[in-house]
Amino acid sequence: GAVVSQHPSWVICKSGTSVKIECRSLDFQATTMFWYRQFPKQSLMLMATSNEGSKATYEQGVEKDKFLINHASLTLSTLTVTSAHPEDSSFYICSAIAGHAGNTIYFGEGSWLTVV
Amino acid sequence: AQSVTQLGSHVSVSEGALVLLRCNYSSSVPPYLFWYVQYPNQGLQLLLKYTTGATLVKGINGFEAEFKKSETSFHLTKPSAHMSDAAEYFCAVNTGFNEKLTFGTGTRLTIIP
Repeated sequence: GAVVSQHPSWVICKSGTSVKIECRSLDFQATTMFWYRQFPKQSLMLMATSNEGSKATYEQGVEKDKFLINHASLTLSTLTVTSAHPEDSSFYICSAIAGHAGNTIYFGEGSWLTVV
Repeated sequence: AQSVTQLGSHVSVSEGALVLLRCNYSSSVPPYLFWYVQYPNQGLQLLLKYTTGATLVKGINGFEAEFKKSETSFHLTKPSAHMSDAAEYFCAVNTGFNEKLTFGTGTRLTIIP
């Protein structure tokens, strides 16, 4: 099966700083990746669709200037939380479409962000 | 637009008993349907998916689901629950390749020894 890796798994940052989370497709190329946010005991909320070589498409209500998404290559998308605040603390999960696997969407392991 | 409804946010079954997790969908076009499992503090793992063809889909860990168009359902079942099945289960839908998934609210499965 396809493998999607996220880094870091856990990160703690101070309020006001920025933090970057990476999402990599390890054994396949992904032109499209998705970023989700999940609050404890809740479902996944789609934040944005990341397309290689173009601007991300953000869902309604998601601040594009706060959650910067870059999809610079076919195997890497990054989410940067700028000027983080405690309310940004959450579990962030990325996913990627594996075209070679019937266009199945595979998920990363997730990244816990805690802003103190 | 499409949506997913998972009936029962919490389901408890005894070890060895039948597992049934319910999922109903709404879509104006033929749906692609998915079940994912999430263990604590981890990402999502694909259990099974339905795109076209056979309506009974078999997945990993002994799970299966049946697409019933007339009932707009895609319920997940497993004949005999195991302790390791305890997790959060999400049903999801999209309507084509390269399209974003819409998730249900999830069902937490607890296995009683």
